[in-house]
Amino acid sequence: AQSVAQPEDQVNVAEGNPLTVKCTYSVSGNPYLFWYVQYPNRGLQFLLKYITGDNLVKGSYGFEAEFNKSQTSFHLKKPSALVSDSALYFCAVRRNTDKLIFGTGTRLQVFP
Amino acid sequence: DVKVTQSSRYLVKRTGEKVFLECVQDMDHENMFWYRQDPGLGLRLIYFSYDVKMKEKGDIPEGYSVSREKKERFSLILESASTNQTSMYLCASSTQGGNEKLFFGSGTQLSVL
Repeated sequence: AQSVAQPEDQVNVAEGNPLTVKCTYSVSGNPYLFWYVQYPNRGLQFLLKYITGDNLVKGSYGFEAEFNKSQTSFHLKKPSALVSDSALYFCAVRRNTDKLIFGTGTRLQVFP
Repeated sequence: DVKVTQSSRYLVKRTGEKVFLECVQDMDHENMFWYRQDPGLGLRLIYFSYDVKMKEKGDIPEGYSVSREKKERFSLILESASTNQTSMYLCASSTQGGNEKLFFGSGTQLSVL
């Protein structure tokens, strides 16, 4: 069955440093992969998606993600972290018939 | 601006009560979803609807039912609430096709005492 795994419960990074939030996937066929962000007391917001094409996908708020087929990974990245990036990040994969299956989430903490 | 509205932000109910969680979207989306969010477990799909009066079970449907009488409204029903249903419930909608993003409501934090 389609699934994603987020191996880190929390990632800590200093403001201005690059950040990476990890995601690995397990799918049959071509994966449709997504990243969402949840700010405190809010619903989830779409960041970016990979359907096909370039392995580097650019999204909202300066985030990007790199699709790596050989490593079955879809890591979220940003060159320079901001304190306002502190939030809960979810990786997701599309299962059949439009359903998204989410990972367990990674809490990103950016320190000033 | 597109919007998914959940009727209550916080809800406190007693064990055994029948609970209705309401969700309305204004984007004319075909698909609507109910997820529950629990720490360490992420989001888990409860039910999914791809058209009016159509529904499909997700990964954890036990103890829940849904109703979709109109395209814009998707209700989650807890027939007899239990303490293990204390959770954050998130509603979402999307167009059909699988390539489109989900739009989420702000969530309902349900506490069952």
